[in-house]
Amino acid sequence: GAVVSQHPSRVICKSGTSVKIECRSLDFQATTMFWYRQFPKQSLMLMATSNEGSKATYEQGVEKDKFLINHASLTLSTLTVTSAHPEDSSFYICSARRDTYSPLHFGNGTRLTVT
Amino acid sequence: KNEVEQSPQNLTAQEGEFITINCSYSVGISALHWLQQHPGGGIVSLFMLSSGKKKHGRLIATINIQEKHSSLHITASHPRDSAVYICAVLSYNQGGKLIFGQGTELSVKP
Repeated sequence: GAVVSQHPSRVICKSGTSVKIECRSLDFQATTMFWYRQFPKQSLMLMATSNEGSKATYEQGVEKDKFLINHASLTLSTLTVTSAHPEDSSFYICSARRDTYSPLHFGNGTRLTVT
Repeated sequence: KNEVEQSPQNLTAQEGEFITINCSYSVGISALHWLQQHPGGGIVSLFMLSSGKKKHGRLIATINIQEKHSSLHITASHPRDSAVYICAVLSYNQGGKLIFGQGTELSVKP
């Protein structure tokens, strides 16, 4: 079946540094990828929608300069948390789909801890 | 009121019990997803439904478009079914975004 690989699964970084998270669709071309953030005991919060070859669409309240999203190819999207702060510590998950009518496939998530 | 409501929020069952998780929504949808999230965080898509009923192993998902309601059933539940189950709808007037329910935390005791 279709698989989405997300890397790294866990990262600890110091305040002020930047962290890049990768999301790859391994056996299908993903026209759209989504990035979510999840706080403990809460559901997923959509951060942005990423379409290949175009700028990401950010949800209200999500700082586009802080969370840089790049979808350079049909199999790879990256989320870069710039100048990370402890409040950015969270669980980040990506999902990808071939097209609007296809099932969504999720990565295993990245747990970011900023010290 | 949330656009997607799940019930119950928490559920504890004994191994072997039949389990039902409900999802009601208030928006027009083109599809509904049932997702499973394990304690480690990874999410698995269980079903994508736009009508009727789907079955996969011990899992059954149904949807009633007229009533804007879906159910996820687990037959012969097992401790490994313990997870958070999330209902998410694809709203056709929101650019293909998913709207998530709050999730149902299921614990199956041996």
